[in-house]
Amino acid sequence: DAGVIQSPRHEVTEMGQEVTLRCKPISGHDYLFWYRQTMMRGLELLIYFNNNVPIDDSGMPEDRFSAKMPNASFSTLKIQPSEPRDSAVYFCASSAGVGETQYFGPGTRLLVL
Amino acid sequence: AQTVTQSQPEMSVQEAETVTLSCTYDTSESDYYLFWYKQPPSRQMILVIRQEAYKQQNATENRFSVNFQKAAKSFSLKISDSQLGDAAMYFCAYRSGNNFNKFYFGSGTKLNVKP
Repeated sequence: DAGVIQSPRHEVTEMGQEVTLRCKPISGHDYLFWYRQTMMRGLELLIYFNNNVPIDDSGMPEDRFSAKMPNASFSTLKIQPSEPRDSAVYFCASSAGVGETQYFGPGTRLLVL
Repeated sequence: AQTVTQSQPEMSVQEAETVTLSCTYDTSESDYYLFWYKQPPSRQMILVIRQEAYKQQNATENRFSVNFQKAAKSFSLKISDSQLGDAAMYFCAYRSGNNFNKFYFGSGTKLNVKP
């Protein structure tokens, strides 16, 4: 299995631009998670989906952040407009079911100038 | 809310030696799961080991083992015969037995392995 795939691996953009991060979960996994990791706040859960439906988005910091999962094999996290404080590593993870171990992707390192 | 504390920001170990990373957590729940994740410079989060709170036996995965002390709410990771490839950030994580899909992570411990 290829594991969780994220793209791009690195993104540098200017403040105000739209950023779209992409994730392909492990095939057969029903749960998908988006995390953000910063030095100041550590690893934070932003949102998670079950069977393509958003279940808990309480971790999404602002309305500038949105996430979608149009099908079982693809999800996006969008930031519009981006700000320098959004600079972080964004992880996608998936799990096979309730209570199962989460498997993380390699992350996307985002830098907003 | 649950909290996970890793009190050692950085540790060093000589190659082939043994090192123990500490983790404590705070919870009022009786059913939960604990994890150790490794994050090498590639930034990927890799599952190292998992422990179910209802199991008294400590989990072991090859050179990695845990010392789970439920009453003390302690969950330390022991790495035996340390290898250069073990150098990474290590994160302790807690998952509720009620809200299965919320993880709480510690702040991490950076492990250096000296040749």
